[in-house]
Amino acid sequence: SQKIEQNSEALNIQEGKTATLTCNYTNYSPAYLQWYRQDPGRGPVFLLLIRENEKEKRKERLKVTFDTTLKQSLFHITASQPADSATYLCALGSNYQLIWGAGTKLIIKP
Amino acid sequence: GAVVSQHPSRVICKSGTSVKIECRSLDFQATTMFWYRQFPKQSLMLMATSNEGSKATYEQGVEKDKFLINHASLTLSTLTVTSAHPEDSSFYICSALLTSGAPYEQYFGPGTRLTVT
Repeated sequence: SQKIEQNSEALNIQEGKTATLTCNYTNYSPAYLQWYRQDPGRGPVFLLLIRENEKEKRKERLKVTFDTTLKQSLFHITASQPADSATYLCALGSNYQLIWGAGTKLIIKP
Repeated sequence: GAVVSQHPSRVICKSGTSVKIECRSLDFQATTMFWYRQFPKQSLMLMATSNEGSKATYEQGVEKDKFLINHASLTLSTLTVTSAHPEDSSFYICSALLTSGAPYEQYFGPGTRLTVT
């Protein structure tokens, strides 16, 4: 069956450093992959989408890579700030259906 | 643009009662909306796909008679939890599908925290 893995342990990063989150998947060939941010008690907020034929996507301090051979996506936040602390979810998509990872909690320490 | 609202944001109800949650797309029309349930520290679990003017499509294991979905207009879908029990307590999130681009994107509401006592 399809499986998405995100690091279940919280990631602690010092302010100003680059945070890197990982999303691995098996038994699936998504047409695209999305990253979302979710704050406690709130719905997910869309951040970035990367298609299967794209290697890398950037948006301000965010960068996403997508390796369909490794079946892995990396999500980077450069010059991290305490306000970046949240849970980050990856979701794999085909047409409009999404399959979700459980998310990784990111904590940026001042 | 592409804002989705949910109401209420929090609701506490007694066991055996029913509660309705509304999901609205505020600045776009959505033929398709989705209802998710999320437990603490877990991923979003798709409950059902709501289609305007037709019956909802429920995921395996989700009781359609317990979780009633109505998508009566292109901007409103409702989820009614009938005869609620404490195990129905959860965070319910809706999303609306924006189909003006490719691939289609889901925009999420802020969620509704349901507590059944």
